[in-house]
Parts: sequence; C-alpha cells; structure tokens
Amino acid sequence: KQEVTQIPAALSVPEGENLVLNCSFTDSAIYNLQWFRQDPGKGLTSLLLIQSSQREQTSGRLNASLDKSSGRSTLYIAASQPGDSATYLCAVQKGAQKLVFGQGTRLTINP
Amino acid sequence: DADVTQTPRNRITKTGKRIMLECSQTKGHDRMYWYRQDPGLGLRLIYYSFDVKDINKGEISDGYSVSRQAQAKFSLSLESAIPNQTALYFCATSDPFGTGSTDTQYFGPGTRLTVL
Repeated sequence: KQEVTQIPAALSVPEGENLVLNCSFTDSAIYNLQWFRQDPGKGLTSLLLIQSSQREQTSGRLNASLDKSSGRSTLYIAASQPGDSATYLCAVQKGAQKLVFGQGTRLTINP
Repeated sequence: DADVTQTPRNRITKTGKRIMLECSQTKGHDRMYWYRQDPGLGLRLIYYSFDVKDINKGEISDGYSVSRQAQAKFSLSLESAIPNQTALYFCATSDPFGTGSTDTQYFGPGTRLTVL
C-alpha cells in the first residue's frame, strides 16, 4: 500500500527566506507526483505536476524535484512571501488517476 | 464563477440522519471524485467516477454511496450519518485525455460536515 509522508507538519519562517518542503513515498512505481496548495475555504489548487519520467518542474518561485528511486520529492520556494502561507500537500498517482495524499505541511510566512 | 462547486458549504447534522452532498462542474470533465480530509491526515478517496455509467469505490467507501446524475453532477450520500464521518469533504474533476490537458485534478471548495 502506497504511503505518503510530509515533513515537517508545520513550518514558520520570516519573509524573504528560501525554504524546502519534503515529501516521501513508499512505492516508487508511480505515474506522477503533484504538489497542491490548500487555502482555508478555497479547496486545493494544483501547483506543479512531475511525470514519473521527469526530474523536476518549475513555476515562478516554485521548483519541485522528484527522485523516484529514493521515493522523495521536494518543493523549493524561493524568496518566500506572506501570501505563500497555506498548507502544501503532496500526492502521488499510481494508475487510474487515484491520488494518495500526504498529511500536508502548514506553512506560515511571517512579515 | 467557480468551475467546481459544492453544496452545502457547511452542514451540521445528527447521528442517524441521511445527508447528501452535491458537486457540480462546468469544466466538461468526465472524471469526478469524492475525498474526505481529517485533521492531521491527507485526503482519502471515497468514490470516483470515470463517466456517468462507471462508478468505483475508493479507499474508504464504507458508509457512503454516490450517484452520477449527469456528466456535470456527482453527489455523495451518507445513508445514516455517524460522528466519525465528521470531516471536510472535497469533490474533484479531471480530464486526462482532453486537448492540452494533464492529469491534474481540479478541486471544489469543500463541504465541512459535522455529525453530532
């Protein structure tokens, strides 16, 4: 059974810092890995999707990497801003579009 | 207007009551999903539907049922609600085969359900 773990559960950093969120998964036979952002009352928003054949994806200040062999992904946020405060969820897909989610990392950026 | 909407947004009910959560989408996607989220846990898949005639159980389907009334509508029912079904429920859609599409799922805003 695929299990996805995110560390840390919560993170608080000053504005402007670069930071890394971690995601690990137990079964390396994945189709893709996705990072979502969750804001209270607004559901989930997809940030980045990395196909199993890819090593990383970038969007603006965000960079996600994937190492299937070690079962790890990281989400790097550069020059953090208060608007980046949210919960970040990692999810892996293995067939039939069924996503298995991690518990999330609650990020707070302090002005 | 939001592409994926859920009603109600908040609901408080009592143990044993039947309750229905509704999801509508204007994205024209064939695939729809219901998830629940509990504090400290990630989202877990309850049911998913690849088209109107194709409905499948997810990881935690016991105590739930679904109906896919149309391509745009997918409802989740709790036949006899119990307190441990108190959670945040999300609907999602996807269209992996559409022009220019990806495997991304698009989520509604969620329904917060409390069972007393």
